[in-house]
Amino acid sequence: DGGITQSPKYLFRKEGQNVTLSCEQNLNHDAMYWYRQDPGQGLRLIYYSQIVNDFQKGDIAEGYSVSREKKESFPLTVTSAQKNPTAFYLCASMDGGSYNEQFFGPGTRLTVL
Amino acid sequence: AQTVTQSQPEMSVQEAETVTLSCTYDTSESDYYLFWYKQPPSRQMILVIRQEAYKQQNATENRFSVNFQKAAKSFSLKISDSQLGDAAMYFCAYQIQGAQKLVFGQGTRLTINP
Repeated sequence: DGGITQSPKYLFRKEGQNVTLSCEQNLNHDAMYWYRQDPGQGLRLIYYSQIVNDFQKGDIAEGYSVSREKKESFPLTVTSAQKNPTAFYLCASMDGGSYNEQFFGPGTRLTVL
Repeated sequence: AQTVTQSQPEMSVQEAETVTLSCTYDTSESDYYLFWYKQPPSRQMILVIRQEAYKQQNATENRFSVNFQKAAKSFSLKISDSQLGDAAMYFCAYQIQGAQKLVFGQGTRLTINP
């Protein structure tokens, strides 16, 4: 089955630690995205990548980093510089064709202890 | 800057009734796409319906339809014959033609009363 997987589903981090969230897609999509969702708010764009080895900052990139070494993978690192990292993180991909539909993964809930 | 506003934080409807969720957006662009996404308790985002701004005809998908008013920058979602499985957060989103970025509204929580 084609789709997007995110792991882990739940992640706990101590303050001061970096942590990496995984996102993998087998849809052969060129573009991939990371969003953050806080309670009572919509999704906010952290980073996106249109092609391998290239990525762009979104609206709230501070304290986060990404890489895009393979087309199917777009991991997100939450660094210790992110002051309020507890949130729900969603990864998405898009084929760049005429439909402009983004497909989403199931998400990772990150909690800082 | 493009913004999307959903003025109804919560809505409720009786099962089998019809409900309309509101969305307005602000843009100076003429070519763009509008979307409604559903986020059930599982938190998986699911596309409900999409509308291309150049199309005058309102999009429909089974029980879901939109009322797209381009001049008023309004994009409401109508759910007919509401079912218990429709209970979810609904997000309106906007994307400029050729751009990569989706801009989301803050969401409307829809409750279906049996």
